[in-house]
Amino acid sequence: EIVLTQSPATLSLSPGERATLSCRASQSLSNYLAWYQQKPGQTPRLLIYDASNRATGIPARFGGSGSGTDFTLTISSLEPEDFAIYYCQHRSAWREITFGQGTRLEIK
Amino acid sequence: QLQLQESGPGLVKPSETLSLACDVFGGSISTFTYFWGWIRQPPGKGLEWIGSIYSTGITYYNPSLRSRVTLSVDTSRNQFSLKLTSVTAADTAVYYCASHRNFFDNWGPGTLVTVSS
Repeated sequence: EIVLTQSPATLSLSPGERATLSCRASQSLSNYLAWYQQKPGQTPRLLIYDASNRATGIPARFGGSGSGTDFTLTISSLEPEDFAIYYCQHRSAWREITFGQGTRLEIK
Repeated sequence: QLQLQESGPGLVKPSETLSLACDVFGGSISTFTYFWGWIRQPPGKGLEWIGSIYSTGITYYNPSLRSRVTLSVDTSRNQFSLKLTSVTAADTAVYYCASHRNFFDNWGPGTLVTVSS
């Protein structure tokens, strides 16, 4: 079973700053790595799929990168609406799906 | 535009079976090349994948829940369903249905299921 570990657990930044969120896998992945944003009381929203592709309607300030075991979600300049919880997710070759435990991005 | 909607009891007693359905709108469940999945989120916690089913009936389950979960699909009603047996308070969560290939791109709004006597 692949385990996804996200870091940091909580990230405190100010609007306008750059956010870098990490997702590390317990073994090398295909690039089937996705990132989601979830705000309180809302459904998760797909941001990035296949490690680096922005989903439809996602602003260009959101970027995904990485390969192997290390993946990164970058938000180039934080907007007030970006403060939320972010999850990474992987689908293995055996069709099993895992989520990371989440990173809470909070306003400093 | 594909839309999904969960339905089912909001309260289930311990040791009983949780049953939820997900209605699919915006096209036939048989014609989409999607998997149809269930994800849950306990209050204040992260996301946990429960399992997924294809329109042909092929299923994939989270190993930690496999012994208690059954997924099914009813193409005539354009819906798929979840059954989780022998529930405990630890199964209290918001349950989401969603469509996916390698990622989940269409989600239902979620339904809170509380396990309590």
